[in-house]
Order: sequence, then structure tokens, then C-alpha cells
Amino acid sequence: SQKIEQNSEALNIQEGKTATLTCNYTNYSPAYLQWYRQDPGRGPVFLLLIRENEKEKRKERLKVTFDTTLKQSLFHITASQPADSATYLCALRPYGNNRLAFGKGNQVVVIP
Amino acid sequence: DTAVSQTPKYLVTQMGNDKSIKCEQNLGHDTMYWYKQDSKKFLKIMFSYNNKELIINETVPNRFSPKSPDKAHLNLHINSLELGDSAVYFCASSQRTDQETQYFGPGTRLLVL
Repeated sequence: SQKIEQNSEALNIQEGKTATLTCNYTNYSPAYLQWYRQDPGRGPVFLLLIRENEKEKRKERLKVTFDTTLKQSLFHITASQPADSATYLCALRPYGNNRLAFGKGNQVVVIP
Repeated sequence: DTAVSQTPKYLVTQMGNDKSIKCEQNLGHDTMYWYKQDSKKFLKIMFSYNNKELIINETVPNRFSPKSPDKAHLNLHINSLELGDSAVYFCASSQRTDQETQYFGPGTRLLVL
């Protein structure tokens, strides 16, 4: 069956360190993969997109990698700040399918 | 200035009732979506409309009926509400069907008692 897996345990990290989140997928052929941020009581907000033929994407303090052999994407927040505390969702769009499939999300708590 | 707005924000109702949730986007997008986020936090697509036409209809009970009066609006009507319908419902939009970035509304928290 198709799965998108993110760590269910919250990641607690000291301010200034790099937070790294993992998204693993099974039985998908993604055309691209996205990361969204969701704050409590709010809708997801798009952060980054990485395509199947790209290895790495950056945006300010965010970095995403994509390894189609490992079927995995890593999401990094460098120099983390308390304002980065949120849940981060991984989503992918399979080839030939116009639906976005989401992971459950992984909570990040940045401790001052 | 809100890009994607939903009303109501909270909805508490009794089992068996019929209710509607409204969504509007002022981004000029062609495609709109309804998602359900359950208590386990999985966000699952329910429906998608492109220019008022239904293009995605996931396996959803037919008690749920979306309606798009124009491309800026997508409403969701739910008949005979059940306890299991309790969830957060998100509306989203994208410029086109194949446009990657989706813009989400703030969500409607539905609690069925």
C-alpha cells in the first residue's frame, strides 16, 4: 500500500541548532515533493518544492533534499528560532495523478 | 486581504443535522479543493473543482456534496451528519490543476455531538 511516513514524535531542539525532519514514502513515483508548515489552528502554508530530478533546494534558512533511490526527503531548518516551532508536513504528487498526498506531519519545538 | 477564507470557523452540531461550509478565494485561481484533517492529523483530499467543474471526487460518502457557483467559491454541504464527520475541513486553491502550490484556508472545525 502507499504510505508517506513522518516521525510522530516531536523534535525538541535548542535555538540556533539545525532541525532535520525526514519524510519517507512507499509505492509512490513522485513527480515532486513539497513541504508545508502548519501552525495550531491554521491551514498549511507552502514552503518549498523539490522535483524528482533535483537533489537539493534552499530558501533562506530552509533546505530540502530528495533521494529517489532511498525514497526519502530531508527537511532542514538551520539556525532554528522559537518562531520556527510548528508542524511540518511533507506532501507529494505522483506522476499521472493530480492529487497531493500528505504525510501526518512532524512537530518541531525550538527551545530558547 | 485574506487569500482563502472559510466560514464558519467553528461548527458544533447534532448528529443527523445538515450543515454547509463556505469557501472563497480572491487569488483569481482556477482550481479549488476540499480537504479533511482528522484527529490523527492526516490531511486527505475530498474534492477538487476546476473552473466550476468537478475533477476530483475521492471515496467520500455521498452525504457530502460540493458546489461551485463560480470559480472563486466552493461550498461543502453535508447531510445527515455523523459522529465520524468531526474533523477540520480545509479549503485550498491553486492557480491551475497542475499548479504546484496550494493555498489553504484557515479551516472549519466541525464537531458532531
